[in-house]
Amino acid sequence: QSVLTQPASASGTPGQRVAISCSGSNSNIGSNAVSWYVHLPGTAPKVLIYSDNRRPSGVPERLSGSKSGTSASLAISGLQSDDEADYYCAAWDDSLNGFVFGSGTKVTVL
Amino acid sequence: DVQLVESGGGLAQPGGSLRLSCVHPGLSFTNHDMNWVRQAPGKGLEWVSFISSSGTSVYYADSVKGRFTISRDNGKFSLDLQMNGLRDEDTAVYYCVFSLHDDSFDIWGQGTMVTVS
Repeated sequence: QSVLTQPASASGTPGQRVAISCSGSNSNIGSNAVSWYVHLPGTAPKVLIYSDNRRPSGVPERLSGSKSGTSASLAISGLQSDDEADYYCAAWDDSLNGFVFGSGTKVTVL
Repeated sequence: DVQLVESGGGLAQPGGSLRLSCVHPGLSFTNHDMNWVRQAPGKGLEWVSFISSSGTSVYYADSVKGRFTISRDNGKFSLDLQMNGLRDEDTAVYYCVFSLHDDSFDIWGQGTMVTVS
């Protein structure tokens, strides 16, 4: 059972906007930065967002991160078939003295 | 692209040991933290262990505490994970991860499979 809670799945049609939530607590999201990752089976995960809302070089602007209190969100605008993958949030947890990942969200493009 | 190259995975018996290694030539290694992250078959990502840039701070997930030991050799650009007392539930793909920022896992290795059976 993951410390950070994400919906198991999310979907949309091409061009739509999809938002993935990540719910935590004061000891993780409430006091530390959130990062987001995309993972395709058989490949290495890739960072999409760090420090709550910053995009690494090469990540398109249609992906954005936000945070409020103990929850964070990843938004994917202009959904594309290539966006079909598993998405994870992560944050440091002060109580556990370690990083925690979300349970993961499978995005499907209809 | 920056490459992290992992090795040491394989098959081990319950209670056995394996040592994973990760080398990263070309990275500005000494100024950044590193981690191991794993994914068990059919499961999500799980953080395993952290080591600070100098090696003075280490942290472990409760699931591996007391059994796994993380270490690094900045002179050799290498990161290791000594895994003892292996259990069936340690079966996973293990990723070596380099942190460019304090709060994220920025550069990932290709992963190495560990099977405990």
